[in-house]
Amino acid sequence: QKEVEQNSGPLSVPEGAIASLNCTYSDRGSQSFFWYRQYSGKSPELIMSIYSNGDKEDGRFTAQLNKASQYVSLLIRDSQPSDSATYLCAVNGGTSYDKVIFGPGTSLSVIP
Amino acid sequence: EPEVTQTPSHQVTQMGQEVILRCVPISNHLYFYWYRQILGQKVEFLVSFYNNEISEKSEIFDDQFSVERPDGSNFTLKIRSTKLEDSAMYFCASRRTGIINEQFFGPGTRLTVL
Repeated sequence: QKEVEQNSGPLSVPEGAIASLNCTYSDRGSQSFFWYRQYSGKSPELIMSIYSNGDKEDGRFTAQLNKASQYVSLLIRDSQPSDSATYLCAVNGGTSYDKVIFGPGTSLSVIP
Repeated sequence: EPEVTQTPSHQVTQMGQEVILRCVPISNHLYFYWYRQILGQKVEFLVSFYNNEISEKSEIFDDQFSVERPDGSNFTLKIRSTKLEDSAMYFCASRRTGIINEQFFGPGTRLTVL
């Protein structure tokens, strides 16, 4: 059973548009939710964390969490070519607080 | 800004050999982790380490693997008798204490087993 699922993409958006990335998870007890960005050949870079239902905004990024639907999303406003990367959804908590489970990632391409 | 560092950046070894991957976590962090990412696949949790002991490990982390904090700054992953399928990127991560589990990753070590 897959624990964290994401659309693999690739997702292509024009520069300046909003990119919307989605993630679902299976463990209802999960408590912490993260979005990482991973450029090709590089390590994951934490860009957002969210712990409560609702929205959390940080600059051009907005994370949304709906625990009832077991759904997390990331919106990137005013997308830039430098946002082109793979975005990893990660979840922890539930039965294993210290274990972070990553989704397979969604590849985003921002077209100039 | 403090960073997690890892050495070497690339390690090539022969099947059956032992390798040690090294990490220096961020200095005020007390929780340490190892993850691996096989080429084209997702990041997989291996082990978490706190207070000089393993706090959690995955089914991947079998007797072939061990972790150690040999001194106040280094955190190592030892892989005994490497197999071809151990070829992957290995990432070290660390975080502060507390309930917020925001983990910061090092640049990774690419392990190639021939």
